[in-house]
Amino acid sequence: AQSVSQHNHHVILSEAASLELGCNYSYGGTVNLFWYVQYPGQHLQLLLKYFSGDPLVKGIKGFEAEFIKSKFSFNLRKPSVQWSDTAEYFCAVTPSGAGSYQLTFGKGTKLSVIP
Amino acid sequence: EAGVAQSPRYKIIEKRQSVAFWCNPISGHATLYWYQQILGQGPKLLIQFQNNGVVDDSQLPKDRFSAERLKGVDSTLKIQPAKLEDSAVYLCASSKEASTTQYFGPGTRLLVL
Repeated sequence: AQSVSQHNHHVILSEAASLELGCNYSYGGTVNLFWYVQYPGQHLQLLLKYFSGDPLVKGIKGFEAEFIKSKFSFNLRKPSVQWSDTAEYFCAVTPSGAGSYQLTFGKGTKLSVIP
Repeated sequence: EAGVAQSPRYKIIEKRQSVAFWCNPISGHATLYWYQQILGQGPKLLIQFQNNGVVDDSQLPKDRFSAERLKGVDSTLKIQPAKLEDSAVYLCASSKEASTTQYFGPGTRLLVL
């Protein structure tokens, strides 16, 4: 079975600082990878996803993530955060091509951006 | 388009009582999921439906949890009897058949006293 590890529980940044949130997964085969975001009081929303092809994936609101297969990693980045990026971020994985779309989530990283 | 709807949004019950949650997926979405999210953790899949059939319920505690999607649209998740450790947010998600993008509802926050 697959598993996801998110290294940081809570990250606090000042506005305009750069962001990198770590995500590592464990699975023996090929995977699809996702980052979901949950803004305060809102639903989980898809930020970006990787299925295949270019390992650098761009998502909404200026976020991007890079899939490094050799490191089993899918880190989320943003060059300059805003106060509105304050949210909880979840990395998730599903085996690809298995006909099953069951997401396995990490524990989440809470991001607080200070104005 | 309308998103995934869930009700109630909040529920407080005492242990050993029963509770039911309702989910209405996005129109046309054949696949429906129920997740449990305990405080401080990521969502954990409980059950996945494809139309009105169960695809995977391997992580559903079947001695107390049950779920159905009789007409392949709405779904209900029931807990009977509830335990203290069932306190969590119960999330419903849906996706188009053969799509891996899941859209989540607002969740039902359950507190068991």
